[in-house]
Amino acid sequence: DTEVTQTPKHLVMGMTNKKSLKCEQHMGHRAMYWYKQKAKKPPELMFVYSYEKLSINESVPSRFSPECPNSSLLNLHLHALQPEDSALYLCASSQGILAGGFYEQYFGPGTRLTVT
Amino acid sequence: GENVEQHPSTLSVQEGDSAVIKCTYSDSASNYFPWYKQELGKRPQLIIDIRSNVGEKKDQRIAVTLNKTAKHFSLHITETQPEDSAVYFCAASESFKTIFGAGTRLFVKA
Repeated sequence: DTEVTQTPKHLVMGMTNKKSLKCEQHMGHRAMYWYKQKAKKPPELMFVYSYEKLSINESVPSRFSPECPNSSLLNLHLHALQPEDSALYLCASSQGILAGGFYEQYFGPGTRLTVT
Repeated sequence: GENVEQHPSTLSVQEGDSAVIKCTYSDSASNYFPWYKQELGKRPQLIIDIRSNVGEKKDQRIAVTLNKTAKHFSLHITETQPEDSAVYFCAASESFKTIFGAGTRLFVKA
């Protein structure tokens, strides 16, 4: 399996809602990433997990809360979001540094989030 | 932190012509430079990459060059086809951190 999957594909939520995005990979990758991509802009790194530990947090507001329950799964919990948080949220995975592997990142299809 | 500049922002070529996209980076610690193609509504797809110990890499119609001293790297697409039309992102990585350029929208006219 050489794919990263994400659910849901689309999500509409109100500013008081709590929702979660899910990402899954079965390539044995030990690094997983969350990116945010606004329309006509490049992906922006939010979080990186390496071996299920949070390795990088790019000063993301606390209304975004990542979780890595195991090496195949990555969640992004959302709470009290703002309309400006509407974007495409991309998950990616890559081999971990400790494996001496490369850093190619494989992206999932993304979740298109709309905050109303 | 790392900053990646990408030019041009838009590129229009005739089918069969070559296309060149250029990027510069600021952090000399960056050691991995991938290029992604993103079609409308789809995920970024890795099309080619180059590491800091290599100056040039080619894969069929696509080639990438890297000048570490000048902190420049470029994507070259030869014999362009309409299906090459997409947004192309360069990126610079150090460890797990990847910073993307702003993107180049490539139009290939049939």
